[in-house]
Parts: sequence; C-alpha cells; structure tokens
Amino acid sequence: DTAVSQTPKYLVTQMGNDKSIKCEQNLGHDTMYWYKQDSKKFLKIMFSYNNKELIINETVPNRFSPKSPDKAHLNLHINSLELGDSAVYFCASSQDSSILGINEQFFGPGTRLTVL
Amino acid sequence: GQNIDQPTEMTATEGAIVQINCTYQTSGFNGLFWYQQHAGEAPTFLSYNVLDGLEEKGRFSSFLSRSKGYSYLLLKELQMKDSASYLCAVRRGKSNYQLIWGAGTKLIIKP
Repeated sequence: DTAVSQTPKYLVTQMGNDKSIKCEQNLGHDTMYWYKQDSKKFLKIMFSYNNKELIINETVPNRFSPKSPDKAHLNLHINSLELGDSAVYFCASSQDSSILGINEQFFGPGTRLTVL
Repeated sequence: GQNIDQPTEMTATEGAIVQINCTYQTSGFNGLFWYQQHAGEAPTFLSYNVLDGLEEKGRFSSFLSRSKGYSYLLLKELQMKDSASYLCAVRRGKSNYQLIWGAGTKLIIKP
C-alpha cells in the first residue's frame, strides 16, 4: 500500500500552460505539504495545510495554489508556467497535532516538472 | 539568520564507517532529523534527536549537541546501497512547516 502517492510522476509542458499535480495520503495524517526541490537539491517548503490552516511560504509566486478537497488530498495547481518552475515537486504528510510523537514527514515519490 | 551546513559530498569504502556532520544556527529548536534520499527518489526518514546524546538504530546512529549546534550521522558497515544523499533538517517550532533543510551530503560508496 502506497502511503503518499503523487501523479503524474513526469510532467513536460510548454511555458504559459496551466497544470495540476495530485497528491493523496492514506496514513490518516492531519497535515500535508508541498515542497520544491531544485537542481541544487535544496528542499524548499511551499505550503503547509491542515483542515484548519493554510500556511503559504511568502516567497512562492501566487501562480501556485494548493487545493484540498478533503483531508487525504492536497493538489497543486500552477498557472502560467515559467521556465524557472522546472524542478521536482514533492508532496509530504505528517501528524503534526501529536505532542508525543516524532511527527516525521512521509514523502510522495515526486513529480519531475519540465517547462519548455 | 537560519542556516544549516553539511559537506556537499563524501566518499567512503564498502564495509567502512563514515560520519556526516551537520551544523546549524536557527531561532528555536524542536528536534533534528536525518533523511536519506536516493537519486531520483523521495526523502525517507532515518533518525530524530531532540535531546543531547547518541541515538542508535542498527547500522545508523545519530548524535546531537544542542549547545554546539551540531549533529552527526554515523553509518557503519557501509553497503553499496547506502550511496545516497543525506539531508539534515532542524525543526524550529511545533510544526513541520518550521523545518529548515540542509542541502544534503551526497555519499558515494566505492567497492
């Protein structure tokens, strides 16, 4: 059973297009995240979302928007794609409300986005 | 500012021991994580330290000194499959949104 899944795994598109990446977790976690990992391998947090609060990294362009239909899903929509958006995007989840546990994050397999 | 430093790349021999260091300067501390990331794959959780000292988990151990802002990951009896990047991350507050990530150390294992 896949804990955190993402689709598609690869996404190649033209500049200016709008695209979405889907993410689902079956761990019953309360918080989901989107990360961007660029060619230098830095993991940059983009969004954090639970059923009460959306936290947006202020450095993320507003062309990026998360949408959560329910607790188990957090999709990423990107409008007007630019060359610099090419990267690997990871979805992750954790049980942030637990005060006893380590609350480590579980990552999806990643979506490699290439903008031409 | 917030900063995490790790060596960019290390090389070690199969069967040997290697220590990957991580130093950090952050406002707030609520635990330090080590994740392993194989090329083209997702990061996976390895270890967590919130108190000073050594945590051992099989071939992997992780050490923390909060006063020095320092951690290391020790890998023993290296195997070829340990070739990966090792990411150090510090959680500054209650939420994982407040994680600061290092750039990772690429570990190359040679036969």
